[in-house]
Amino acid sequence: DTAVSQTPKYLVTQMGNDKSIKCEQNLGHDTMYWYKQDSKKFLKIMFSYNNKELIINETVPNRFSPKSPDKAHLNLHINSLELGDSAVYFCASSHIARETQYFGPGTRLLVL
Amino acid sequence: TQLLEQSPQFLSIQEGENLTVYCNSSSVFSSLQWYRQEPGEGPVLLVTVVTGGEVKKLKRLTFQFGDARKDSSLHITAAQPGDTGLYLCAGARTGNQFYFGTGTSLTVIP
Repeated sequence: DTAVSQTPKYLVTQMGNDKSIKCEQNLGHDTMYWYKQDSKKFLKIMFSYNNKELIINETVPNRFSPKSPDKAHLNLHINSLELGDSAVYFCASSHIARETQYFGPGTRLLVL
Repeated sequence: TQLLEQSPQFLSIQEGENLTVYCNSSSVFSSLQWYRQEPGEGPVLLVTVVTGGEVKKLKRLTFQFGDARKDSSLHITAAQPGDTGLYLCAGARTGNQFYFGTGTSLTVIP
């Protein structure tokens, strides 16, 4: 019954590693997002996809690459992880006409 | 500088007190939303306001959208410990662009 799910919930890794975070929504929405929430709790949009196409790409290092295999999935791959990448990453989805976003539970990434 | 500034950033009050959180911007938004985020969870939508001057009530919470659709306020009457959390406003623009506010961390002490 989970509307927006993310895996894993916790991710601890070493600097320089490559990791992926998966996101799935079963709400039938056509727009999905990735957000980064820093230690000060500020939520900043990273990417937005509509019908598998990238529509928003904020100033994010190109080590971050989103991939949308279909409308229900938006995965985030991160190359060469850095200490500053430590944060909570949230996936969200919305129906483009309704502007209401539904968030996943977050992935807590810690880079050592 | 963030597009949406919230004040106060932190708020700690006693149970039963009233409070107001502000969300201000110099930009116009097509709609504005308020979310509450509890520790270890994702933000959950509380309300969406669309029309300038609109007021919506959700039990003890009252939300208002500014006449010019640039700002909003959230008023909580008789706060309860269950109201504790991070309150986030988010402004929507065309094309599904959302801008989140800087957040207000509320603690209600029993």
